[in-house]
Amino acid sequence: EDQVTQSPEALRLQEGESSSLNCSYTVSGLRGLFWYRQDPGKGPEFLFTLYSAGEEKEKERLKATLTKKESFLHITAPKPEDSATYLCAARAQKLVFGQGTRLTINP
Amino acid sequence: DSGVTQTPKHLITATGQRVTLRCSPRSGDLSVYWYQQSLDQGLQFLIQYYNGEERAKGNILERFSAQQFPDLHSELNLSSLELGDSALYFCASSVAPTSGGGETQYFGPGTRLLVL
Repeated sequence: EDQVTQSPEALRLQEGESSSLNCSYTVSGLRGLFWYRQDPGKGPEFLFTLYSAGEEKEKERLKATLTKKESFLHITAPKPEDSATYLCAARAQKLVFGQGTRLTINP
Repeated sequence: DSGVTQTPKHLITATGQRVTLRCSPRSGDLSVYWYQQSLDQGLQFLIQYYNGEERAKGNILERFSAQQFPDLHSELNLSSLELGDSALYFCASSVAPTSGGGETQYFGPGTRLLVL
């Protein structure tokens, strides 16, 4: 069965303190690895799509990378407005989401 | 703003009742997906439609059904509601079910359903 596991469940950082979120996936025939940001009570907001191992994508303070078994979302010098839940999803036959990492950035 | 719209934003109803949630996809998107998000389950895929036809089914209960109309908007019907059906329901859309290595799904703002 396709599975996506994210760690840690929650992460609290000080403003400017860089870190990484992990997404491990087990899917048959990966057709894309997706990262979304979700604010409380809102719909997931698309961030990145990665298709093959070694691929990297960047947007402002975020950088996503992909290996054959996991993906990382690196956050560099985060700001309080980066606080949100970050969701990872892997697509084979359907999109399977992880449980998310709840990120809090303290000023 | 993703371009996907959902109505209503909030819905409060009683057990045993039936409700209909509506979704309009982004302009040009042919595929619509429905998801349920509850605190303990995360985002769960329910069902997908492509250009009016059912394409894939996930963890959708028999009490739930959906359809996509010729104008591409979609409706999710939930019947014989139970307390456990209280959740956020999201609609997402994409251009096509398959596009190269995979398509990107854009999510709407969701409908919060509370069953009392």
